[in-house]
Amino acid sequence: QSVLTQPPSVSGTPGERVTISCAGGSSNIGQNTASWFQQVPGSAPKLLIYSNSQRPSGVPDRFSGSKSGTSASLAISGLQAEDEAHYYCAVWDNSLNGHVVFGGGTKLTVL
Amino acid sequence: EVQLVQSGAEVKKPGESLTISCKASGYRFNTQWVAWVRQKPGKGLEWMGIIYPGDSDTRYSPSFQGRVNMSVDKSISTVYLQWSSLRPSDTAMYYCARHYGSGSSKFDPWGQGTLVTVSS
Repeated sequence: QSVLTQPPSVSGTPGERVTISCAGGSSNIGQNTASWFQQVPGSAPKLLIYSNSQRPSGVPDRFSGSKSGTSASLAISGLQAEDEAHYYCAVWDNSLNGHVVFGGGTKLTVL
Repeated sequence: EVQLVQSGAEVKKPGESLTISCKASGYRFNTQWVAWVRQKPGKGLEWMGIIYPGDSDTRYSPSFQGRVNMSVDKSISTVYLQWSSLRPSDTAMYYCARHYGSGSSKFDPWGQGTLVTVSS
């Protein structure tokens, strides 16, 4: 059971916009910034979003992040077949002397 | 180019010891944290802990405290993850990643992963 709750799966058709939610609590998202990672099967995770909404260089602006209260969200617009992957949120949790928690992951299927 | 290169896959028996490595290049190794993340087959990501190469300061996840040891060799820009007695439940892919310190959830880049298989 992950501290951060994500939907197990989402789906969309090419060109569509999808969002993935990440629900946390007062000791994690409520006090710290969230990051998002994309993991294609057989590959290492890749940083997509940090500090809630910042994109590293090279990440398309189709990917955007936001945070409200104790929840964070990842939005993917103009969905492409290559976006099919697992997506994970992560945040620093201030409990237990501080540690990072990951969401359980969301499988995005492009129909 | 910032890069983390991990050691190769390992197959071990229960009770054996193991050390895997993660070699960094392309940035000031001594001044940035390195994290270890576990991914069991078909499962999600689990943060194991972080180490600061400059002074070997370590922070472990409560779930991994006492089960693994993180260390560093600054002379070769390499961090290590060690087990003294492996269990079948340690079978997983292990990733290292540059981490932006206490309070942060930014991991970038990631190593390619080291697959550890523990089986009798």
